[in-house]
Amino acid sequence: LAKTTQPISMDSYEGQEVNITCSHNNIATNDYITWYQQFPSQGPRFIIQGYKTKVTNEVASLFIPADRKSSTLSLPRVSLSDTAVYYCLPMNRDDKIIFGKGTRLHILP
Amino acid sequence: DTGVSQDPRHKITKRGQNVTFRCDPISEHNRLYWYRQTLGQGPEFLTYFQNEAQLEKSRLLSDRFSAERPKGSFSTLEIQRTEQGDSAMYLCASSSGPRFYGYTFGSGTRLTVV
Repeated sequence: LAKTTQPISMDSYEGQEVNITCSHNNIATNDYITWYQQFPSQGPRFIIQGYKTKVTNEVASLFIPADRKSSTLSLPRVSLSDTAVYYCLPMNRDDKIIFGKGTRLHILP
Repeated sequence: DTGVSQDPRHKITKRGQNVTFRCDPISEHNRLYWYRQTLGQGPEFLTYFQNEAQLEKSRLLSDRFSAERPKGSFSTLEIQRTEQGDSAMYLCASSSGPRFYGYTFGSGTRLTVV
């Protein structure tokens, strides 16, 4: 299973764009890069998933370079409600998800 | 269908008692997972079912833990002779397998052993 490295914590201000980068040097060919968000006392929630290049949905964008050794989750114009833990997870259809500690994002007013 | 449901949301029990948690997955999902999460840590994998078959169990799942998924629908996780170290959030997730590489998690059951 691919090991990931992401910042333990980040602070930002409301209205800013936040980028969280994750490195996954030994990602497998059949792994998709998936990001989850978790609020206190709730289960993780799927945000976005991609294999290569750029994926955008109504919540976030995901940038994956050609070598796929890293990925960047981009949250546009964050609000206080985006304060949460964000997990970067290589996933495929055969293996269970292995979570790291994630990135604690704290949005300040 | 409103997602993955877990019951109860909170459970306080005395050390040595047995507890059972229930998870109702999204109806068309054939895979079901149990995770445990302690404060400040990411969720830790416990076990996984495909339909009614339990395909993998973590070494974290001691003999006091047992999980079932009869008929491939809801699942139960039982902890016998609870210990204070079992205090955690127990999360259930389901997925539809190969067509979607993502899990839907429930809100969890918070267990406190006193």
